[in-house]
Amino acid sequence: NAGVTQTPKFRILKIGQSMTLQCTQDMNHNYMYWYRQDPGMGLKLIYYSVGAGITDKGEVPNGYNVSRSTTEDFPLRLELAAPSQTSVYFCASSYLLAGASISTDTQYFGPGTRLTVL
Amino acid sequence: GENVEQHPSTLSVQEGDSAVIKCTYSDSASNYFPWYKQELGKRPQLIIDIRSNVGEKKDQRIAVTLNKTAKHFSLHITETQPEDSAVYFCAASRPGGGADGLTFGKGTHLIIQP
Repeated sequence: NAGVTQTPKFRILKIGQSMTLQCTQDMNHNYMYWYRQDPGMGLKLIYYSVGAGITDKGEVPNGYNVSRSTTEDFPLRLELAAPSQTSVYFCASSYLLAGASISTDTQYFGPGTRLTVL
Repeated sequence: GENVEQHPSTLSVQEGDSAVIKCTYSDSASNYFPWYKQELGKRPQLIIDIRSNVGEKKDQRIAVTLNKTAKHFSLHITETQPEDSAVYFCAASRPGGGADGLTFGKGTHLIIQP
């Protein structure tokens, strides 16, 4: 298994440009997440998905959009890039048992995409 | 929402000594508390986690303790080695359970002095 993969590894955008960060997992995980990590900081949740066709906002969703058309893929879209979106973006996935009374998840992270907006 | 505080921000210990990193969380509904190790330029890697129905968990040189009443949890690394040098993050499940994602602390830069 490749686990969680992300493309591209690096990207430089100009202000106002748009792009899609790709995330794919081959572990048949039902949950997927997007986090951003600013320099010297912890990760902050942008969006998450509990399954194909279902997405929800995290702590910092403004300026981003997501979709989940398949179990494997969870792309993150930046429509109008701003310097404040310069960050490292991590995708993660986990598998939760339906009806579990206590969280059973372990989140597995992709290698990250380093994005700079100038 | 959930808020996670982590201390210290930097910790320097002699090789072979123990290291302790502490975190507090705000939401009593959180029930899952993982610890991640991140080396420079790499992805976070899970090193140990604990659920709210357990007070302590150990895996070789690493242990985590949880005090639900006080809403704090700690990472203990014994017999530290140079390869333990990294940034360590604690996290807590967001309200609604781990399915809704994690709230992370700001990290502790652990430096192992030879």
